[in-house]
Amino acid sequence: SAVISQKPSRDICQRGTSLTIQCQVDSQVTMMFWYRQQPGQSLTLIATANQGSEATYESGFVIDKFPISRPNLTFSTLTVSNMSPEDSSIYLCSVQGASADTQYFGPGTRLTVL
Amino acid sequence: QKEVEQNSGPLSVPEGAIASLNCTYSDRGSQSFFWYRQYSGKSPELIMFIYSNGDKEDGRFTAQLNKASQYVSLLIRDSQPSDSATYLCAVNMDSNYQLIWGAGTKLIIKP
Repeated sequence: SAVISQKPSRDICQRGTSLTIQCQVDSQVTMMFWYRQQPGQSLTLIATANQGSEATYESGFVIDKFPISRPNLTFSTLTVSNMSPEDSSIYLCSVQGASADTQYFGPGTRLTVL
Repeated sequence: QKEVEQNSGPLSVPEGAIASLNCTYSDRGSQSFFWYRQYSGKSPELIMFIYSNGDKEDGRFTAQLNKASQYVSLLIRDSQPSDSATYLCAVNMDSNYQLIWGAGTKLIIKP
């Protein structure tokens, strides 16, 4: 499976600021996904990011709040904008595996908003 | 509403026994089924996937799929304390490569 890295691994941010999370893969992948996981909860898909097209957002998530970039087949960023304490969560990127609907996850970014 | 349901647990199993984790899903047309393991503070790790009815074995892990009854199970033989984790069931319901996730079952293996 691909090697996936995320930066930062964790951060503590002030209310009203923005944070950009980077996801880097060691091989080219078609689809990348961004998830949020609240403590003790399962995964919630934020959006699907395909290279060369706009990200597709799930219900409850909007581009103004979570802008996503996908400049090439190995990299994506998720920005959490105008943060509030409710945005405190773990943010995970995943990538499509060799078998089309498998997904492999990065190590995650633990975000705390004060 | 597309749903994947799991018992949240915790499921406590003695070391060396068989741990049985279950998952049901709402969409009868679902094609792909996945089990992920997530240790506390870590990201989910894919351990098994299954596409066809029946059993699929990989080492101590066996995935079982019954499409008629719309459930998928994960059996862990000879359970070890290192198997203690939350196990997430995920299902591809409509072939757009998105997965629908269960809430996860917390498994505790007692030495």
